Amino acid sequence: NAGVTQTPKFRVLKTGQSMTLLCAQDMNHEYMYWYRQDPGMGLRLIHYSVGEGTTAKGEVPDGYNVSRLKKQNFLLGLESAAPSQTSVYFCASSSAGAGKLFFGSGTQLSVL
Amino acid sequence: GENVEQHPSTLSVQEGDSAVIKCTYSDSASNYFPWYKQELGKRPQLIIDIRSNVGEKKDQRIAVTLNKTAKHFSLHITETQPEDSAVYFCAASISNTGNQFYFGTGTSLTVIP
Repeated sequence: NAGVTQTPKFRVLKTGQSMTLLCAQDMNHEYMYWYRQDPGMGLRLIHYSVGEGTTAKGEVPDGYNVSRLKKQNFLLGLESAAPSQTSVYFCASSSAGAGKLFFGSGTQLSVL
Repeated sequence: GENVEQHPSTLSVQEGDSAVIKCTYSDSASNYFPWYKQELGKRPQLIIDIRSNVGEKKDQRIAVTLNKTAKHFSLHITETQPEDSAVYFCAASISNTGNQFYFGTGTSLTVIP
């Protein structure tokens, strides 16, 4: 049982490049989330999904897109990376209702 | 949306002393309040949580209290140990809004041996 798996773990981009972060969970959770973590700012919600085929905006959605074509996968895309998107990105999942969040191991993204 | 404030941002205690971290929230509809511990370079992990129908919950050396009227909740760690050193995050959630979690900005706890 792997839990929540994120790929890649590290990535360096140049300004304007695009990339996709992949999150996969094997716990059959309905809800999935993408957070970014910046020093002194805690965890801020980018986008989330309450089920396959659905997505919604969180606190800081600008510059990001997401897709959830399969229940177990949640993809985060950056179409044109900016230095302000340098951060640690965490994917998380939870079962329906106010339940425990299970986090992935994080992706360290640097945009030069 | 919900706004969660957390204090202090840093906290140093001697081993064996108690540590208290406080959070306030703005939306009275929030009904679930978890606390996460994040060790350096690791993922956040749930250490304790409380729901709005409960005023206090304890798990060994860790306890959480909730005051719904004042909209604040606190984490209490007793008999602190060096392995308690980490960043702690509080969060608030409204269960009927897609289970969104709003996090505080974190408290870096250092336990001095």
